[in-house]
Amino acid sequence: DVKVTQSSRYLVKRTGEKVFLECVQDMDHENMFWYRQDPGLGLRLIYFSYDVKMKEKGDIPEGYSVSREKKERFSLILESASTNQTSMYLCASSFRLGKSGAGFETQYFGPGTRLLVL
Amino acid sequence: AQSVAQPEDQVNVAEGNPLTVKCTYSVSGNPYLFWYVQYPNRGLQFLLKYITGDNLVKGSYGFEAEFNKSQTSFHLKKPSALVSDSALYFCAVRERGNQGGKLIFGQGTELSVKP
Repeated sequence: DVKVTQSSRYLVKRTGEKVFLECVQDMDHENMFWYRQDPGLGLRLIYFSYDVKMKEKGDIPEGYSVSREKKERFSLILESASTNQTSMYLCASSFRLGKSGAGFETQYFGPGTRLLVL
Repeated sequence: AQSVAQPEDQVNVAEGNPLTVKCTYSVSGNPYLFWYVQYPNRGLQFLLKYITGDNLVKGSYGFEAEFNKSQTSFHLKKPSALVSDSALYFCAVRERGNQGGKLIFGQGTELSVKP
């Protein structure tokens, strides 16, 4: 079974703190993604990565950065946390497009980290 | 621009009755379409996908979805709802030309099945 784990289920931080959210997958997936989930807005893509040391901005990258030093690990960094970053953060991973021969690749999600910024 | 719409924030169904969760999309060309389910305090779980071929797609837990190109819809259905189906459901779309696997998600529909 595919397993995507996230370092914390719940996190409480203060405004201005630097926050690290970590995601690890054990399926040797090339692609990794960070989303935030807010009621009524669904999931919005923050950043994604196709390979080690590669990153691409998603739809809402402002206020966030990412790091991918190893294939299995993708970190989301909030340089200076703000209250509007209070949200549920979801990590996902998938194989590189076409690797399975199907022409698409399913994304597998971690359990999420619920972050509260006070 | 790509977009996905789930017109209902909440759907209420009695156990044993059929259920439908609606999804419409807007992309250029033919899409890949997905349904995911999220149980309370959990991540998203993949339910089913439409890639090509038969317009009726069957997935996990007895769910199915029908791709309708003329109506640009991909509604999720189940013939007989269970209380345990109560969860948050997300429709997602990816353009075929999108090499990065980036998905666009709808805003989610809360399904409540009452005994």
